Amino acid sequence: QVQLVESGGGVVQPGGSLRLSCAASGFTFSSFGMHWVRQAPGRGLEWVAFIRYDGSNKYYADSVKGRFTISRDNSKNTLYLQMNSLRGEDTAVYYCARDGMADSRRGNYYMDVWGKGTTVTVSS
Amino acid sequence: DIVMTQSPDSLAVSLGERATINCKSSQSVLYSSDNNNYLAWYQQKPGQPPKLLIYWASTRESGVPDRFSGSGSGTDFTLTISSLQAEDVAVYYCQQYYSTPITFGQGTRLEIK
Repeated sequence: QVQLVESGGGVVQPGGSLRLSCAASGFTFSSFGMHWVRQAPGRGLEWVAFIRYDGSNKYYADSVKGRFTISRDNSKNTLYLQMNSLRGEDTAVYYCARDGMADSRRGNYYMDVWGKGTTVTVSS
Repeated sequence: DIVMTQSPDSLAVSLGERATINCKSSQSVLYSSDNNNYLAWYQQKPGQPPKLLIYWASTRESGVPDRFSGSGSGTDFTLTISSLQAEDVAVYYCQQYYSTPITFGQGTRLEIK
């Protein structure tokens, strides 16, 4: 079945780095754009980043621009989020999610498949 | 950025009754070239990831019960649950994908009265 499984979360000190991974299965990964969305404890959803199906276009929220990098390896069916210069306000559950439109040049639509999330805690 | 504002923040409805959640965008999310409203609705239950309910403002995702419906156009949208079931207790979010950055509403908590 269609599945996304995040990993790589943990506790990191402010200023530190972490790389999240999202393993996809059950669908043609290389045909879909992918998102990272986060949710701080007790808070709402915040879109973080998007990457087009072929990796050619990437978009970021202003809150992470210049610190986070989204990437993908279509040969490994895996999405990544490299997070540098982490701050307390980056503490959240990070979800990867599939873009709802396959083979889209535009991408960045709704999200039709979500992983269960991985928790990132930034604390000294 | 497009600001999405939901109302109310929380809502208590009796089982079998209608629940209505509103979402207003700070600018239109109706794309004139394809006449689609770039608006989605999600349901999130405690300890679970969000689940897509509605996209293009009124298209129900496969497998979503038909008691869920979406309506509206331009800047004003509504998610309606026609007959509330116990399993519908959740937080509901609207999301615009008209422009980057994608933005969500603050969420509406739905409970049983």
